[in-house]
Amino acid sequence: EVQLVESGGGLVKPGGSLRLSCAASGFTFSNAWMTWVRQAPGKGLEWVGRIKTKTDGGTTDYAAPVKGRFTVSRDDSKSTLFLQMNSLKTEDTAVYYCASFLIGVWGQGTLVTVSS
Amino acid sequence: QTVVTQEPSLTVSPGGTVTLTCASSTGAVTSGYYPNWFQQKPGQAPRTLIYSTNNKHSWTPARFSGSLLGGKAALTLSGVQPEDEAEYYCLLSYGGAVVFGGGTKLTVL
Repeated sequence: EVQLVESGGGLVKPGGSLRLSCAASGFTFSNAWMTWVRQAPGKGLEWVGRIKTKTDGGTTDYAAPVKGRFTVSRDDSKSTLFLQMNSLKTEDTAVYYCASFLIGVWGQGTLVTVSS
Repeated sequence: QTVVTQEPSLTVSPGGTVTLTCASSTGAVTSGYYPNWFQQKPGQAPRTLIYSTNNKHSWTPARFSGSLLGGKAALTLSGVQPEDEAEYYCLLSYGGAVVFGGGTKLTVL
C-alpha cells in the first residue's frame, strides 16, 4: 500500500524550531519529487516547498513566506522526507502535509501550533 | 506575486454536469503549467484526482475529467453524485514555484 505518514508536529513558541518527518512506503521514494503543503485552520491549501530526486539534482524550491526559514531534505536510504522549520511565526500555524503529486499520495497531516 | 483563481463556490444538482476552472494571473494556462486537481472533504487530507492536465489516477472516478478550456485549466464532473460535495483545489507549476488556487466549494443540491 502506498502511504505517507507525517510526525513531529506540536506546540512551539514564536521564534522556536520544529522538525517534521514524513515516512514513505509502498513506492520507490528515491524516484519521487516530494512536497510539503500546509493548511491553516479554516483556510485553503498552501504550497510550502519541494525537493527533487537526486537524479534531477536534488534541488529544493520554497514559497516566499517560508524561504530562508524552512528547509526541505530527504533521506532516500530511510524513505523519509523532512521539513526543518526555524524562526517560527504565529502565521505558520497549520496542518502540514507531505505529498507526491505525480504518484498522487498524501499523508494524513500533522498539526503545528505556534503560540506563546 | 502569482495568483491562481478558482470560482469560490458552485452548486450542481445530482446527475448534472459542472465545470470548475483554474486561471493564472500570468495569462493563459497551458499544459506546461502541469495543472493538478485535488478533492478535499471536511476533516480529511486532500486526494489527488487529476495530474498534468488530464491524467487520472487509478482511484479517480470516470466522471471526473481534466482539460484546458478558454485559457484556463478545467475540471468537469459529469453525472455528479452526492458524495462529490467537497472543496476542490487546482495547482499550477511555475518552474521553481507552485501555486494553489483558493479552492471551489462544490455543493450538490
